[in-house]
Amino acid sequence: NAGVTQTPKFRVLKTGQSMTLLCAQDMNHEYMYWYRQDPGMGLRLIHYSVGEGTTAKGEVPDGYNVSRLKKQNFLLGLESAAPSQTSVYFCASSPRGGPYEQYFGPGTRLTVT
Amino acid sequence: AQSVTQLGSHVSVSEGALVLLRCNYSSSVPPYLFWYVQYPNQGLQLLLKYTSAATLVKGINGFEAEFKKSETSFHLTKPSAHMSDAAEYFCAVSTLNDMRFGAGTRLTVKP
Repeated sequence: NAGVTQTPKFRVLKTGQSMTLLCAQDMNHEYMYWYRQDPGMGLRLIHYSVGEGTTAKGEVPDGYNVSRLKKQNFLLGLESAAPSQTSVYFCASSPRGGPYEQYFGPGTRLTVT
Repeated sequence: AQSVTQLGSHVSVSEGALVLLRCNYSSSVPPYLFWYVQYPNQGLQLLLKYTSAATLVKGINGFEAEFKKSETSFHLTKPSAHMSDAAEYFCAVSTLNDMRFGAGTRLTVKP
């Protein structure tokens, strides 16, 4: 099993450009998450999904959109990138919330100039 | 909403010394608590978790943590540090649909 994979691994955008990050999991997990990691701030939840066709806002959702059209995929979109969105983005999945651990992808390093 | 505070953004120990990484949480409901480790340029991996069974939880690589409700703490320990333990460690608190992470503690192990 590949677990959780993320595409791409690195990306450089200019301010105002758009892009989509793809997360895929092969563990048949119901829940999927998108986080951003910034120095000294830990991981902050952007959006999450508790099942196919559902999405919800996390702690820092502004400037991002998500879609979960298929159970195994969770897409994160940036419609108009800003330098403040320079970060490392992690996708994770879990069978459920609460006591279940989350399985993380390797991350995408995004730089917005 | 729940939250996590990790005391000390950087901890440095000598190889063979005790490792103690501190975590305090705040939660309005009984929490589920986790410790994750992140090696350079990788995602997070689970070290251990507390889910209301035993208060002393043993994890991988010789780490353990004790849940203390009266102190709202979930500190991570390892009796003897190894060079391979150098990494960043994150404490997290979870309820049904929400997991909150601490800011992380970077552990350095000196030879």
